[in-house]
Amino acid sequence: NAGVTQTPKFQVLKTGQSMTLQCAQDMNHNSMYWYRQDPGMGLRLIYYSASEGTTDKGEVPNGYNVSRLNKREFSLRLESAAPSQTSVYFCASTVAGDYEQYFGPGTRLTVT
Amino acid sequence: GNSVTQMEGPVTLSEEAFLTINCTYTATGYPSLFWYVQYPGEGLQLLLKATKADDKGSNKGFEATYRKETTSFHLEKGSVQVSDSAVYFCALSSTSGTYKYIFGTGTRLKVLA
Repeated sequence: NAGVTQTPKFQVLKTGQSMTLQCAQDMNHNSMYWYRQDPGMGLRLIYYSASEGTTDKGEVPNGYNVSRLNKREFSLRLESAAPSQTSVYFCASTVAGDYEQYFGPGTRLTVT
Repeated sequence: GNSVTQMEGPVTLSEEAFLTINCTYTATGYPSLFWYVQYPGEGLQLLLKATKADDKGSNKGFEATYRKETTSFHLEKGSVQVSDSAVYFCALSSTSGTYKYIFGTGTRLKVLA
């Protein structure tokens, strides 16, 4: 039981490049989330998926897109990376809206 | 809207000192409340939770009580260890059925031997 896995662990992009961050969970959870963590700002929600087939914007969705590929997988895409997107990205999942979230190990992204 | 406010850090303590990290919240309805811990280079992991007023969550010597009258969920530990050095996040679950969670900005704890 791997929990929540994320790939890659580290990535460096040039401004304007695109990439997709992958997230998968093997706990049969319904809801999945993408957050970014920046110094002094805690965790900010980018997008979430309450259940398979649905996605919704969070607090900071601009510049990102998501795909809930199936119940296990939830990917985050940066179409044209900007230096402001330099951050640590965490994926999380939960059974339902009132339960604890399980977090992946994070992806550290640097955009130059 | 819902929000979480927690004390700014860093908090620096000597080993075996008493720890309090304050957390207050604003929410409509009755959210569940959580404390998560993040060790260096890792993701967040649940430390403890409380799902209704007056509930006390506890784990690894840490405790927090859900106080509806003061809208607080302060984290306490009677005797901290060097291994408790980490960043602690207070969070609440959505009460509007949107499945969102709100996190505080985190409090860094450093425990000195």
